[in-house]
Amino acid sequence: QLQLQESGPGLVEPSETLSLTCTVSGGPLDDSESHWGWIRQPPGKGLEWIGSIFHLGGSHSKSSLKSRISLSVDTSKNQFSLKLRSLSAADTAIYYCARLNQGFDFWGPGIPVTVSS
Amino acid sequence: DVQMTQSPISLSASVGDRVTITCRASEDINVWVAWYQQKSGQVPKLLMHIAFGLERGVPSRFSGTGSGTDFTLTISNLQPEDSATYYCQQANMFPLAFGGGTKVEVK
Repeated sequence: QLQLQESGPGLVEPSETLSLTCTVSGGPLDDSESHWGWIRQPPGKGLEWIGSIFHLGGSHSKSSLKSRISLSVDTSKNQFSLKLRSLSAADTAIYYCARLNQGFDFWGPGIPVTVSS
Repeated sequence: DVQMTQSPISLSASVGDRVTITCRASEDINVWVAWYQQKSGQVPKLLMHIAFGLERGVPSRFSGTGSGTDFTLTISNLQPEDSATYYCQQANMFPLAFGGGTKVEVK
């Protein structure tokens, strides 16, 4: 059974950069049919797709976040990562990593991130 | 970018009722829509990975239809455990997008 686990800081200061990593276990990251994605959910609000990456490195991100996002993958560690720059309070959310295979079928438990000084 | 518009925002129905949630895409996405269920405090769960393709283990009272721009998720014989927020997501092309969600309350 595939498992995903997010890791990173729970509190980040405004204007700083958020770095999150998703570790995948129980299956390979270099699955030719899967992309790997990040989704966030602000408190009391809906789901927002942030970006997705393929194991060979090709990535896509939400248009409004494109200038602030970097996505990377490390197949040797079975991990993929998100960097989100220039944080503001509006970036406060639960951040989920998930596998995209005709829908996001496996999700991590989510990591709450608060942007505050 | 494709936008997904869900309706209603919320609904309340009784056990045994049939409820329908609608999702409209801003452009043609063929059949590439996924549906999710998120119960309070839990991780979203994939119900359908294509307009009509039920995930393994999802009760058959859930069904989906649609193609092009208009899609529906129907819950027949509503059960108390179906209380949740439901989201659609376009899976046809990047950038991906979720609908705003529909909160279902079971009376």
